[in-house]
Amino acid sequence: SQKIEQNSEALNIQEGKTATLTCNYTNYSPAYLQWYRQDPGRGPVFLLLIRENEKEKRKERLKVTFDTTLKQSLFHITASQPADSATYLCALDNQAGTALIFGKGTTLSVSS
Amino acid sequence: NAGVTQTPKFQVLKTGQSMTLQCAQDMNHEYMSWYRQDPGMGLRLIHYSVGAGITDQGEVPNGYNVSRSTTEDFPLRLLSAAPSQTSVYFCASSYRSVAGYNEQFFGPGTRLTVL
Repeated sequence: SQKIEQNSEALNIQEGKTATLTCNYTNYSPAYLQWYRQDPGRGPVFLLLIRENEKEKRKERLKVTFDTTLKQSLFHITASQPADSATYLCALDNQAGTALIFGKGTTLSVSS
Repeated sequence: NAGVTQTPKFQVLKTGQSMTLQCAQDMNHEYMSWYRQDPGMGLRLIHYSVGAGITDQGEVPNGYNVSRSTTEDFPLRLLSAAPSQTSVYFCASSYRSVAGYNEQFFGPGTRLTVL
């Protein structure tokens, strides 16, 4: 079955640095990959979607890469701010393309 | 647009009781789904629907029923609540384009405790 791993449960960085979060997957080839942000007590909020034929996508200070050979996605936040502190979830479509499978998330803490 | 709404926000049940978690969306999305989120487990898919009248099981469907009689509503029924169903439940909706399904819009969640 599909397996998704996010590199760590927690990541602590200083304000202004670039945060890099990793999402690895095994056992299948998803058509797309998504990243979400979740704040405590709230539902996840969509950030970026990247399809299998795209290598990189950017949105303001966010950048996502998708390496289908390595079966890995990297999520970067440049010039990080304390307001970026949250849990970030990666998600991939299932093989039927009918559902999203989520990783367990990485909690990012940005200190000033 | 209200987006995805869920009721109730909080609920406490006793073991064996039944209840329905409500979910509605006003974006005319054909796809809707239910997840549960537990500490250390991430979001796990319970049931999903790709359109009115069509539902399917996700990763953890046991103990839950769903139906989709309209595009807007996708209620989740707990038939006989168990302490293992204590969790935060999220409903989400999405739409399909030529390229496939797109981002999911999540509701605010229902925090359920089963005693």
